[in-house]
Amino acid sequence: EDQVTQSPEALRLQEGESSSLNCSYTVSGLRGLFWYRQDPGKGPEFLFTLYSAGEEKEKERLKATLTKKESFLHITAPKPEDSATYLCAGGAQSGGSNYKLTFGKGTLLTVNP
Amino acid sequence: DAGITQSPRHKVTETGTPVTLRCHQTENHRYMYWYRQDPGHGLRLIHYSYGVKDTDKGEVSDGYSVSRSKTEDFLLTLESATSSQTSVYFCAISESGDIQYFGAGTRLSVL
Repeated sequence: EDQVTQSPEALRLQEGESSSLNCSYTVSGLRGLFWYRQDPGKGPEFLFTLYSAGEEKEKERLKATLTKKESFLHITAPKPEDSATYLCAGGAQSGGSNYKLTFGKGTLLTVNP
Repeated sequence: DAGITQSPRHKVTETGTPVTLRCHQTENHRYMYWYRQDPGHGLRLIHYSYGVKDTDKGEVSDGYSVSRSKTEDFLLTLESATSSQTSVYFCAISESGDIQYFGAGTRLSVL
């Protein structure tokens, strides 16, 4: 059974205090690792896709990396507006070009001013 | 929300009544998905569609049915709602089947 585990469940940072979120996965036939951000009462917002080990992607203060067993979301000098739940999902091909996504439970990030 | 509209946004219903949730997209994407999100669980796939009239089951499909008669609309029906179906339901779309974009969600309470 495919599994995605995110840690920690919750993380409190002071503004400017850099840290990392972890996503470990066992997904058979992984084709992509996806990161989303979710604000309270809203749908997940796509951030990154990583397709192969060693790949890195950056967006503003966020950088996502991928190894064969896990992915990290590094947050550099976070601001209060980075507070959200960050979701990780492993994608495996499931019929044609469709990906079946297995989601983790998320990490709730709070950045205090 | 990437041209995705979910309706209604909130609904309260009683056990045993039928409920239909609607997802409408303006992106002309091929793939559409229904997920549910519950505390203590990740997002879980209910059903998905890979074209008009083409649908398939996800991991938590029992008690749910779907229909897609037009590219832009994907309906999720609970034939006889139960309290265990109280959840937040998200629709997602994808052009090529990999990156999925999500709607704002429908909060459903079954009393």
